[in-house]
Amino acid sequence: AQSVAQPEDQVNVAEGNPLTVKCTYSVSGNPYLFWYVQYPNRGLQFLLKYITGDNLVKGSYGFEAEFNKSQTSFHLKKPSALVSDSALYFCAVRVLGRDDKIIFGKGTRLHILP
Amino acid sequence: GAGVSQSPSNKVTEKGKDVELRCDPISGHTALYWYRQSLGQGLEFLIYFQGNSAPDKSGLPSDRFSAERTGGSVSTLTIQRTQQEDSAVYLCASSLSRTDTQYFGPGTRLTVL
Repeated sequence: AQSVAQPEDQVNVAEGNPLTVKCTYSVSGNPYLFWYVQYPNRGLQFLLKYITGDNLVKGSYGFEAEFNKSQTSFHLKKPSALVSDSALYFCAVRVLGRDDKIIFGKGTRLHILP
Repeated sequence: GAGVSQSPSNKVTEKGKDVELRCDPISGHTALYWYRQSLGQGLEFLIYFQGNSAPDKSGLPSDRFSAERTGGSVSTLTIQRTQQEDSAVYLCASSLSRTDTQYFGPGTRLTVL
């Protein structure tokens, strides 16, 4: 079955350290991959997406994600974490079928410790 | 407007009452989605509209839930005979097409007493 997984419910990182939020997927065909962020009491905001081209995608707020086809992963990264990066992060993937649609992972809560 | 808007921002209702939640998508976006999010958890897909096609209702949890989209723009999610387990944040999103980037509204926080 086509799916997207975020294996970590929560990630804790010290401020200034690099951060990684993991995402793996299983889809038919070439994947379209997305990352969204949700700050407290807010709707989701688009961060970045991979459709084709360079495997390293740069997005908003200094985030980037690396598409790895062999590992079917699309991990979100940032070289130096800020306390303000603390939020809920969602990975999403396009799935093909009779009706193409986008499905979301369960989310990973990122805590940046001062 | 510049983004997706939802109203009301908060709704408190009594068990058994009906509620209507409204979503105004970004102008020109043909795709519109409704999701439910409980207690800061993951997104639960509810329903999806694409242009004039029949909506994808596969995520609606019960027949108490329904939604319509008038004129390919504004959408209303209706919950009949609300139950306490319906308490959640209801998020609306729109996109240019079904596989394009989704832009989310701020959500409606529904509390059923």
